Amino acid sequence: GAVVSQHPSWVICKSGTSVKIECRSLDFQATTMFWYRQFPKQSLMLMATSNEGSKATYEQGVEKDKFLINHASLTLSTLTVTSAHPEDSSFYICSVPLETQYFGPGTRLLVL
Amino acid sequence: DAKTTQPPSMDCAEGRAANLPCNHSTISGNEYVYWYRQIHSQGPQYIIHGLKNNETNEMASLIITEDRKSSTLILPHATLRDTAVYYCIVSFRSGAGSYQLTFGKGTKLSVIP
Repeated sequence: GAVVSQHPSWVICKSGTSVKIECRSLDFQATTMFWYRQFPKQSLMLMATSNEGSKATYEQGVEKDKFLINHASLTLSTLTVTSAHPEDSSFYICSVPLETQYFGPGTRLLVL
Repeated sequence: DAKTTQPPSMDCAEGRAANLPCNHSTISGNEYVYWYRQIHSQGPQYIIHGLKNNETNEMASLIITEDRKSSTLILPHATLRDTAVYYCIVSFRSGAGSYQLTFGKGTKLSVIP
């Protein structure tokens, strides 16, 4: 299966700043990656589908201008949380689809 | 995608088999049944998937009823490290494999010493 990494594993930032989260497919070239968000004691919610070389597809209710996704290469997708606020504090997880989906270890974001 | 229903929590004694049920009565003919688990503060881990036939791998067995309206994930010898939230998901598979997964609340399995 695919090995997926995320960086950073956790980040604390001040309200109003932007935070970039990287998702890398280490041994597989992925034209598509998925980004999920998980609030405490809740399930994963799909935020967007990242497409290499084209615009991301966002789920209903997810602000595309706030959560910027760039999939510039076949092994890297980035999620930038712009002008972060405390309510954006969450666990962000990416996945790479092959015969099944392989998930990264997640990035925990805390906005103060 | 079809919805699934799972018990919110289950306990299992260490060393015993853990049987996790899932109802998916609205599953369509070409939807697969996937099982993932999520250990606290980690990304989900793939366990097993199937379409019609029962499946077994090094982690678990998947038993799908003949009418495909329910399934059971079996961990044959549960260990403390199997304590996690287990998600049963039904989903289509596109030719490129770029299918979406919709996570429900899952079953929190607690393996007890």
